[in-house]
Amino acid sequence: AQKITQTQPGMFVQEKEAVTLDCTYDTSDPSYGLFWYKQPSSGEMIFLIYQGSYDQQNATEGRYSLNFQKARKSANLVISASQLGDSAMYFCAMREGAYSGAGSYQLTFGKGTKLSVIP
Amino acid sequence: EPEVTQTPSHQVTQMGQEVILRCVPISNHLYFYWYRQILGQKVEFLVSFYNNEISEKSEIFDDQFSVERPDGSNFTLKIRSTKLEDSAMYFCASSESEGAVTEAFFGQGTRLTVV
Repeated sequence: AQKITQTQPGMFVQEKEAVTLDCTYDTSDPSYGLFWYKQPSSGEMIFLIYQGSYDQQNATEGRYSLNFQKARKSANLVISASQLGDSAMYFCAMREGAYSGAGSYQLTFGKGTKLSVIP
Repeated sequence: EPEVTQTPSHQVTQMGQEVILRCVPISNHLYFYWYRQILGQKVEFLVSFYNNEISEKSEIFDDQFSVERPDGSNFTLKIRSTKLEDSAMYFCASSESEGAVTEAFFGQGTRLTVV
């Protein structure tokens, strides 16, 4: 079974509008971290935002916010006021078991969503 | 702002040759990783490295691969006897600790093309 599922291969959004990129995850471990990364056409991976499984509040970083619904196992990324420079691939990723110190070091990535911002 | 740097940005090699991909992690980071991304596919974990030894590796990281921290700053991935299917973008990453609360910072990647 996929541990990270991103169901939207591609999304379009009008400049200045908000957009939500979906991510669902699958884990039986109660302690995990969820990450979003941006990959522009140049190829680098840019860290955007993080949410821990024990965090009480949804994470926010500037125009990025994470809509964390633990019971649904979803961690959707919300980008407000989209800009042309937001056009990129967006990857959701998870690290399991890390709070306990005995978990996996690796990030497991989803297949990504390609976001295109339309002027 | 500190960053992870990788060299070269693009490497072309003949099938069967050995390649070494180089990375300079962020200076105060202790955990280092290699990931790869075959064109159009998702990013896959290869290996993590801490305290001069491999702490975790995936099924992909077989005997063809090895990692080394030859000095205090560099972290290398060696691929022996390259195959066509090794063509991919290889990302180095580092983190300050192993905890879930710590994000991994990625380099800009090395695009390896095996011909």
